[in-house]
Amino acid sequence: GNSVTQMEGPVTLSEEAFLTINCTYTATGYPSLFWYVQYPGEGLQLLLKATKADDKGSNKGFEATYRKETTSFHLEKGSVQVSDSAVYFCALSAPDNYGQNFVFGPGTRLSVLP
Amino acid sequence: GAVVSQHPSRVICKSGTSVKIECRSLDFQATTMFWYRQFPKKSLMLMATSNEGSKATYEQGVEKDKFLINHASLTLSTLTVTSAHPEDSSFYICSAREGEGVTDTQYFGPGTRLTVL
Repeated sequence: GNSVTQMEGPVTLSEEAFLTINCTYTATGYPSLFWYVQYPGEGLQLLLKATKADDKGSNKGFEATYRKETTSFHLEKGSVQVSDSAVYFCALSAPDNYGQNFVFGPGTRLSVLP
Repeated sequence: GAVVSQHPSRVICKSGTSVKIECRSLDFQATTMFWYRQFPKKSLMLMATSNEGSKATYEQGVEKDKFLINHASLTLSTLTVTSAHPEDSSFYICSAREGEGVTDTQYFGPGTRLTVL
């Protein structure tokens, strides 16, 4: 079945450091890929998405490129801020035997220190 | 982007009582809504898929008689936790799907924190 694997963390970085959170997936067909962010005590917010191979999603300085050859969608940011501290979830949407299936990774907790 | 609201954001109730949580898509119609449960520092656990006008589809291990789901319209789904007990205390999050195809996106509500005393 469809699945998403991501580094679970926690990831601790200093402010202005470079961030990479790895995400790989297994899916039938051609999935859409997403990154969601959850700030402390809040629900999930869509951060960015990509719907086909080689698409790059970007938002708030975060980027992720849909790599079909490596089945990956790694999240990157060049310079993190304390306000980026949150849990980041990688997800995919793909058809399965029961219809459209939305699958989340386990989440990666990011702590950015001043 | 699309907005999903949840109400209430926080509720405290006594053991044995029932609690209703509402999930609304504010600026789009959602034929499908989802209910998740999240334990502290854990990922989302899908509880059920709610389709407008039909019965919800529950994930394995989720008691349908305890977690009643109603999707009465294209913009509203409700989750009722019946006869709540302390172990039902959790963060409940709904989402609504915008679109029908492979490019559809789920938009999440802000969550409801339930505490059962």
